Amino acid sequence: AQSVTQPDIHITVSEGASLELRCNYSYGATPYLFWYVQSPGQGLQLLLKYFSGDTLVQGIKGFEAEFKRSQSSFNLRKPSVHWSDAAEYFCAVGIPGGGADGLTFGKGTHLIIQP
Amino acid sequence: NAGVTQTPKFQVLKTGQSMTLQCAQDMNHEYMSWYRQDPGMGLRLIHYSVGAGITDQGEVPNGYNVSRSTTEDFPLRLLSAAPSQTSVYFCASSSMTLSAPLNAFFGQGTRLTVV
Repeated sequence: AQSVTQPDIHITVSEGASLELRCNYSYGATPYLFWYVQSPGQGLQLLLKYFSGDTLVQGIKGFEAEFKRSQSSFNLRKPSVHWSDAAEYFCAVGIPGGGADGLTFGKGTHLIIQP
Repeated sequence: NAGVTQTPKFQVLKTGQSMTLQCAQDMNHEYMSWYRQDPGMGLRLIHYSVGAGITDQGEVPNGYNVSRSTTEDFPLRLLSAAPSQTSVYFCASSSMTLSAPLNAFFGQGTRLTVV
């Protein structure tokens, strides 16, 4: 079965600084990869996704992620964070052709923005 | 553009009570699913459905029932609530077409407390 690891439970970043959130997955082939953001008391919003093709994926709100097959990673980046980026971030994987199994989520990374 | 609508947003139950969490989507998505979110656990799949009349179990199905009589609705039933079911519940829907596989849209969540 597939699994997702987000090694950082909490990350604190100063406003205006760059951000990288780590995500590693375990699966025998290349899965579909997703990053979601959850603001307090809200549902999950899709930031970006990778299915195939260009390994650098652009998303909403200025986020990007890079798929690295050799490292089984899909790290999320943003060059300059804003206070409104404070939220919980979830990496998720889905299995190509196996949509019925749903998404497997990491445990999340809580992003704190310092003024 | 309603997307995925969950009701209620908040609910307190006594141990042993039953209730139904409602989920409706207006995007004509084939795939619908229920997740529960617990602190430090990410989201875990409870049940899912690939179309009307078809449901199956996810990772944590015990204590929950589902049915899918229409494409739009996917209610989650707790037959006899237990404190361990205190959680935030999310409903999600997605298309299963090859062009947008597993692109899940989430509801706003239902925060359930069982006392």
